[in-house]
This record gives sequence, structure tokens and C-alpha cells, in this order.
Amino acid sequence: EAGVTQSPTHLIKTRGQQATLRCSPISGHTSVYWYQQALGLGLQFLLWYDEGEERNRGNFPPRFSGRQFPNYSSELNVNALELEDSALYLCASSLGQGRTDTQYFGPGTRLTVL
Amino acid sequence: AQSVAQPEDQVNVAEGNPLTVKCTYSVSGNPYLFWYVQYPNRGLQFLLKYITGDNLVKGSYGFEAEFNKSQTSFHLKKPSALVSDSALYFCAVRDGDTGFQKLVFGTGTRLLVSP
Repeated sequence: EAGVTQSPTHLIKTRGQQATLRCSPISGHTSVYWYQQALGLGLQFLLWYDEGEERNRGNFPPRFSGRQFPNYSSELNVNALELEDSALYLCASSLGQGRTDTQYFGPGTRLTVL
Repeated sequence: AQSVAQPEDQVNVAEGNPLTVKCTYSVSGNPYLFWYVQYPNRGLQFLLKYITGDNLVKGSYGFEAEFNKSQTSFHLKKPSALVSDSALYFCAVRDGDTGFQKLVFGTGTRLLVSP
């Protein structure tokens, strides 16, 4: 069974540009989560999508947005990039069956903002 | 609001010795607890979780964790460490009584197993 996949592996952008990160969940999973892992800050929850809808978002500005497609894959968009957006962005998926769900993580996309 | 504390930034242990990575949590409702491991330049791999039932949970790669409600702890253990266990370990909690699926992670503990 294929795991969660993310693309690209690495992304280099300059300040002010936009970045688009992609995630494909495990087959059969309907929930997708995005986390930011910045140096020294640990993992911070960004967004949760389930059945195509945004269910909740973390304490991040509106320039962090995303969507979930009918095939349950997801896209994270970061507009007006700032230097502090440099981080590893992790996507996770789960069955969407409730609070006992286990989230399974992808390998991440390393975003570097110059 | 839920929170997790991993009091040790790093744990050093010799190969073959038992290891413990500590985690304490705070949550208003019932705690759902998880352990993940992260190898360099990789995502997080799920090790085990506690939802309800037996306080001793067994997981992948020989790891286990003990849920202690009175001490609000969920320490990760392994009877005999391997060099290949060296990695970054994260404890996470979710409030089981709310509808929100967010996992709150600790800051991570680096485990170094020496040959």
C-alpha cells in the first residue's frame, strides 16, 4: 500500500513569491492535514480538510490557504512568501472516521525562502 | 487547550540497554496519545497510540508506551535499544472529547543510541 506522497521534495522561492505544495493521501483516506515544522518551533498545525471542505485551521495568517480535490488530494498555497516561511511542510492523511484516527505522514516538502 | 511536554531534548543510551523517552500531557477531556519517530530528512512515522483500554500499549519496532492517568504521562519505552533507533521522537495528544482532529505535538526528543 502506497503511503502519503508529497511534491516537490524541495522548493526554493524568493520573498514575495507564491508557493504551491501538493499531497496525495493514502488510498481510502478522506482527511488531509497540513503541518509546518520550522526549526526551533516544532510541528505546528496548519489546516485540516475532510471530504473537500476546510474543517479547521491553525494560528496562521490567511496567506496560507489550500484546498482538497474530489480525489482527496490536497494543495497548500502560501502567498507573499516571507523568510520565516522557510520550513518543512508535512502532509498527513487519515481515514476520517473520528477522533481515534491515526494520522500518517508524508516525507514533507522543504520550502526555502530566499 | 491541550499541550504536551517532552522534558528531555536528548536521551543517550548504549545499545542493548533499555530506553525511556518521557512525555507528559495536559488536556481537558479524555486524552488520545500518540508517538511518532522522525529520521533525518524524513516525515513522521507512526509508532503507537493510546485511545482506551490497557494502559500498556505495544507498537512498531518493539516499542511500547505506558499510559498513566494520575501522572498525566505517556512514556515511550523499549527493553533493548538498537543503534538504528537513533532518531527524533515526538509525543502528540488530541482531546478525545472535542470534535476537532488537531494533534498537538511536543518539541521532540532526540534519541542517540551508541554502539
